[in-house]
Amino acid sequence: QSVLTQPPSASGTPGQRVTISCSGSTSNIGSNPVNWYQHLPGTAPKLLIHSNNQRPSGVPDRFSGSKSGTSASLAISGLQSEDEADYYCAAWDDSLDVRVFGGGTKLTVL
Amino acid sequence: QLQLQQSGPGLVKPSETLSLTCTVSGGSISSSSYYWGWIRQPPGKRLEWIGSIYYSGKTHYNPSLKSRVTISIDTSKNQFSLHLSSVTAADTAVYYCVREVGGVVRPVDHWGQGTPVTVSS
Repeated sequence: QSVLTQPPSASGTPGQRVTISCSGSTSNIGSNPVNWYQHLPGTAPKLLIHSNNQRPSGVPDRFSGSKSGTSASLAISGLQSEDEADYYCAAWDDSLDVRVFGGGTKLTVL
Repeated sequence: QLQLQQSGPGLVKPSETLSLTCTVSGGSISSSSYYWGWIRQPPGKRLEWIGSIYYSGKTHYNPSLKSRVTISIDTSKNQFSLHLSSVTAADTAVYYCVREVGGVVRPVDHWGQGTPVTVSS
């Protein structure tokens, strides 16, 4: 099954900028917008970025998204301890006719 | 403030039907702007989209689960439900009810609190 590939882990120190990648294919990221979610343990996931680079109301501008070809990225600048969470990318897959998710990246703030 | 409140059993026997309900408050489930759906996450695995339903009753299911899934909607109660039949241990997961924004992108902008469901005798 076609899936989205993310690095399992990422880390940074407070104030740093970190980037999380999401690699897909022509049937998903290559054809459709990408959304990003933040998931803190024990809570419901939260929409962080939609339509590749749009932040919902209330999401700090420290979070930004981009897409190029069949890959997308989430960047977090001015890293804070409360950013420690799991981050997931997602996109619609036209071949499978299903919403697909990345495996998630666990971000650790050192 | 929109809230999605999930209810249903946390333990289901193999071969039986898993049933969960999501009650929506702070907004109308009859809005033409949204879809209502279910997503699950098995232990140690990625999120998996199960399917969604429009207020009109039109459904869209994950092809890999389509033969066992039914999502229904009750606009009078502002609720929607998930029924997954013939469950096995592979269906053990945290199940989330969600709201999807209508349109091309259809991002999930609200999630329920999650219901851990274990399939075991």
